[in-house]
Amino acid sequence: QKEVEQNSGPLSVPEGAIASLNCTYSDRGSQSFFWYRQYSGKSPELIMSIYSNGDKEDGRFTAQLNKASQYVSLLIRDSQPSDSATYLCAALTGGGNKLTFGTGTQLKVEL
Amino acid sequence: EAGVAQSPRYKIIEKRQSVAFWCNPISGHATLYWYQQILGQGPKLLIQFQNNGVVDDSQLPKDRFSAERLKGVDSTLKIQPAKLEDSAVYLCASSDSVRGGGDTQYFGPGTRLTVL
Repeated sequence: QKEVEQNSGPLSVPEGAIASLNCTYSDRGSQSFFWYRQYSGKSPELIMSIYSNGDKEDGRFTAQLNKASQYVSLLIRDSQPSDSATYLCAALTGGGNKLTFGTGTQLKVEL
Repeated sequence: EAGVAQSPRYKIIEKRQSVAFWCNPISGHATLYWYQQILGQGPKLLIQFQNNGVVDDSQLPKDRFSAERLKGVDSTLKIQPAKLEDSAVYLCASSDSVRGGGDTQYFGPGTRLTVL
């Protein structure tokens, strides 16, 4: 079982819609979670971090964490073509010292 | 503030050759990471330094990969000899956390390695 799992996609949504990206993790000791955006040919860029159960909002982005279900999600409201990228979910594992990434979900926002 | 610098940006070599990558982290960042990202996968941590000491190198193929961070600033990652499966983007990241891992990691542009 992979430590951090994501659906590779692609996930296609129309412009203006809500994009929902999901991630599960296996290490129950993980306490910190991160969403990175990676444009094709570019390096990952942190967009959200979340440490507590519940929702965390930042502009059009909302991260959700459910530790009981070992589930993390990212909602992007009013999706724009510029949001088209691969979204990487990451969790601190190994006692909180190592960042483990999922394989990423490719998001395509269509006009 | 300057970001994480890496060089070269691209490298093409033949299998069994050696190659080295260089990284200069953000000024003052204590923790430096090297990741390998194979096409279609997420980054995989190869080695983590805190200042000039190794924190985690459990996923570094030590028979062919080596890394050093002299004086706790710049770092070099070397592959010798390279194999076809080493074709990937090598990402360097840094953070200012003494603990490492938990705080924001800032990534450099990466070095794309192609092994023929």
